[in-house]
Amino acid sequence: GQNIDQPTEMTATEGAIVQINCTYQTSGFNGLFWYQQHAGEAPTFLSYNVLDGLEEKGRFSSFLSRSKGYSYLLLKELQMKDSASYLCAVMDSNYQLIWGAGTKLIIKP
Amino acid sequence: SAVISQKPSRDICQRGTSLTIQCQVDSQVTMMFWYRQQPGQSLTLIATANQGSEATYESGFVIDKFPISRPNLTFSTLTVSNMSPEDSSIYLCSVVAGEPYEQYFGPGTRLTVT
Repeated sequence: GQNIDQPTEMTATEGAIVQINCTYQTSGFNGLFWYQQHAGEAPTFLSYNVLDGLEEKGRFSSFLSRSKGYSYLLLKELQMKDSASYLCAVMDSNYQLIWGAGTKLIIKP
Repeated sequence: SAVISQKPSRDICQRGTSLTIQCQVDSQVTMMFWYRQQPGQSLTLIATANQGSEATYESGFVIDKFPISRPNLTFSTLTVSNMSPEDSSIYLCSVVAGEPYEQYFGPGTRLTVT
């Protein structure tokens, strides 16, 4: 079967760095996405990785290792507004998105 | 990119009734999806709305319960039929626009069934 695993909840301190991990097992692979979802709002796109390595976009970076079925989202210089759920999703061989359950990130002052 | 609007933004409905949710996109898109997200959980794909043909439903979802229309490349509706409290959820419309297969989401419709 297809499976996406990510931690349910993480806590970090304002100004610090946090890494949210995602492991996956899917039928084929056409890229991995990270989305941010604030409570009561729709998900918004953060990043897309299809090749191994690190993609950096401002305070956020996303890493992919296809051989390990592994990705992480790295958030630097955390701000209170970063408190949200972070969803990992993999596009399978049918170009369908398989979603993880999301990681709720709590930022403390 | 794509800008998506949904109507209604929220509704409270009685058991046994039906609600139709509208999704409007500001550009023509080929791929349009309907998701459900229950409180504290991730997204569950209900169906892919196909323009000019029947929607493609995921396992556990049927057309009689969730009829979908897609009359053109910018608009779709999802009906939640014969509602029960278990249908209380957020319903999200989503489209794929641009590269690389980036999905954009509407603001969602928060449905409560009493």
